Amino acid sequence: EIVMTQSPATLSVSPGERATLSCRASQSVSSNLAWYQQKPGQAPRLLIYGASTRATGIPARFSGSGSGTEFTLTISSLQSEDFAVYYCQQYNNWPQYTFGQGTKLEIK
Amino acid sequence: VQLVQSGAEVKKPGESLKISCKCSGYTFTSYWIGWVRQMPGKGLEWMGIIYPRDSDTRYSPSFQGQVTISTDKSISTAYLQWSSLKASDTAMYYCARHSAAVASDYWGQGTLVTVSS
Repeated sequence: EIVMTQSPATLSVSPGERATLSCRASQSVSSNLAWYQQKPGQAPRLLIYGASTRATGIPARFSGSGSGTEFTLTISSLQSEDFAVYYCQQYNNWPQYTFGQGTKLEIK
Repeated sequence: VQLVQSGAEVKKPGESLKISCKCSGYTFTSYWIGWVRQMPGKGLEWMGIIYPRDSDTRYSPSFQGQVTISTDKSISTAYLQWSSLKASDTAMYYCARHSAAVASDYWGQGTLVTVSS
């Protein structure tokens, strides 16, 4: 099983600032990496797939990068609605698609 | 595209349960449907996936033998079922449309399953 490790567990950032979230895979997942946002009481929402492609309707302030084992989600200028939990998921190792443990992005 | 899940369930240990995920707005047989567990206050866990066109089903090792995933193509619905629930099955369960091209792009609203004596 591929283990996905996200860091940090909690990130405190002020509105308007940049947030950088990291995700590391225990072995290469190529570019088969997705990022999801989950707000309290809601289902996860796809933000990024293929490591760097924004899903439909996702604002340009969200960007993804990386390949292999190291990935980054960047939110360029945080808006109030961006404070949530973010998960990475690898979908390279069929059929065991594993998630990271999540990063909670909170208001500083 | 919409995935609409069945309502919350409260069950006793040992009881059986089948929850559903009704899909609409796309060709049901052209995409995989995955199931994801989220235990209270915890992260997301991938349970397994099914391809409705031929019912090809795969499970993550942690869930193999613990649950059964199925579909009914005639009503574009996917199912997740348990034959004997345990208290540790208490969680929110999500279905999601999945493809190798765009990962899990549409999600159901979740079904809360509570197992308590």
